Amino acid sequence: AQKVTQTQTSISVMEKTTVTMDCVYETQDSSYFLFWYKQTASGEIVFLIRQDSYKKENATVGHYSLNFQKPKSSIGLIITATQIEDSAVYFCAMREDNTNTGKLTFGDGTVLTVKP
Amino acid sequence: NAGVIQTPRHKVTGKGQEATLWCEPISGHSAVFWYRQTIVQGLEFLTYFRNQAPIDDSGMPKERFSAQMPNQSHSTLKIQSTQPQDSAVYLCASSFRLGGEDTQYFGPGTRLLVL
Repeated sequence: AQKVTQTQTSISVMEKTTVTMDCVYETQDSSYFLFWYKQTASGEIVFLIRQDSYKKENATVGHYSLNFQKPKSSIGLIITATQIEDSAVYFCAMREDNTNTGKLTFGDGTVLTVKP
Repeated sequence: NAGVIQTPRHKVTGKGQEATLWCEPISGHSAVFWYRQTIVQGLEFLTYFRNQAPIDDSGMPKERFSAQMPNQSHSTLKIQSTQPQDSAVYLCASSFRLGGEDTQYFGPGTRLLVL
């Protein structure tokens, strides 16, 4: 069974600094997809970035990037030059590459607070 | 482009009443997913449809919960005889196609409160 674990319950950083959020996952599949979403204060869940397990290059989108360490089953999210509006709950999620299920398995989330 | 639309945004029901939640996926998306979010359980998968056909309902409670997708533009989640433990935010997501490099995009959710 797949499992996603986010050990950091909350992180607080100063604006314009870099933050890394950790995520480890468990799966029996050799092919899988990893995602990071953010949930804003209004409750909206927004897709940020993804990493496909067969890709060696770390994904980067805007000021979000990933640190994919496949041997460690780890997918960290790095946010550079943080802004106040980055304050949110960040969820790591995984989907196995199985046509019989498309479900995402989520971690418990990390609350990020960016202070001015 | 409109995102995933969910109605109502908030619903309050009395214990034992029925609740029907609606989802309109992003136009052109062929996969629709339902999730539930609570403080205790976090984000949990309920069920999904591909091209309107039910594919996986492994997360659905076996009693009282049902989901349908009568056409490509909407899906419903129905909870019969609602109980206080059904109180949660119900989220609908859609993706362009299942398998491969597909990302799920979420709607704003329906906050259900069962009194």
